[in-house]
Amino acid sequence: ETGVTQSPTHLIKTRGQQVTLRCSSQSGHNTVSWYQQALGQGPQFIFQYYREEENGRGNFPPRFSGLQFPNYSSELNVNALELDDSALYLCASSLGLEKVDTGELFFGEGSRLTVL
Amino acid sequence: KQEVTQIPAALSVPEGENLVLNCSFTDSAIYNLQWFRQDPGKGLTSLLLIQSSQREQTSGRLNASLDKSSGRSTLYIAASQPGDSATYLCAVPSGTYKYIFGTGTRLKVLA
Repeated sequence: ETGVTQSPTHLIKTRGQQVTLRCSSQSGHNTVSWYQQALGQGPQFIFQYYREEENGRGNFPPRFSGLQFPNYSSELNVNALELDDSALYLCASSLGLEKVDTGELFFGEGSRLTVL
Repeated sequence: KQEVTQIPAALSVPEGENLVLNCSFTDSAIYNLQWFRQDPGKGLTSLLLIQSSQREQTSGRLNASLDKSSGRSTLYIAASQPGDSATYLCAVPSGTYKYIFGTGTRLKVLA
């Protein structure tokens, strides 16, 4: 059984640039959720994808966007980067049923984004 | 609006002690609660998932209990070891697709 993998592990960008983060879900899972974790805080929900459709969104601006592919892997895109976007971005996969995510969350190791 | 609080924020104990971490939540209409461990700069590792119909779950030296009516969960760690040093987070669902996390308890177990 393959766990959740994320890439890249670390990256540095400057303000105004764009970034794409990638996530491969755990084998057998159809739902991917993205979270942002600032230093010393708990993860904050960005959005979730279920069977290639956005299933819910947190309080993040439209410059945060995502995709889910037929193999259930996912991308998180952030445009017009700001200094406050510096954080650990975590991807979690789970097994959702009819858009209700009742399953256990399994996280990847995260992508550490630094915006200068 | 679901809010999650974890107490204490930080804890330092000598090796071998039994300890209890607390998690409280404001909306008791949850269908599960999950405890995680996070090492510095790393992702979250799932420790225990308690369904709303359960009162507790055990895995090795870890035992988690859930009291929905009072909006509380506790994570009990028996015979703590230096390798248990990490941040422990609890999460509860809010709606049908997102989880709300506490800010965690930073645990340090001294050898």
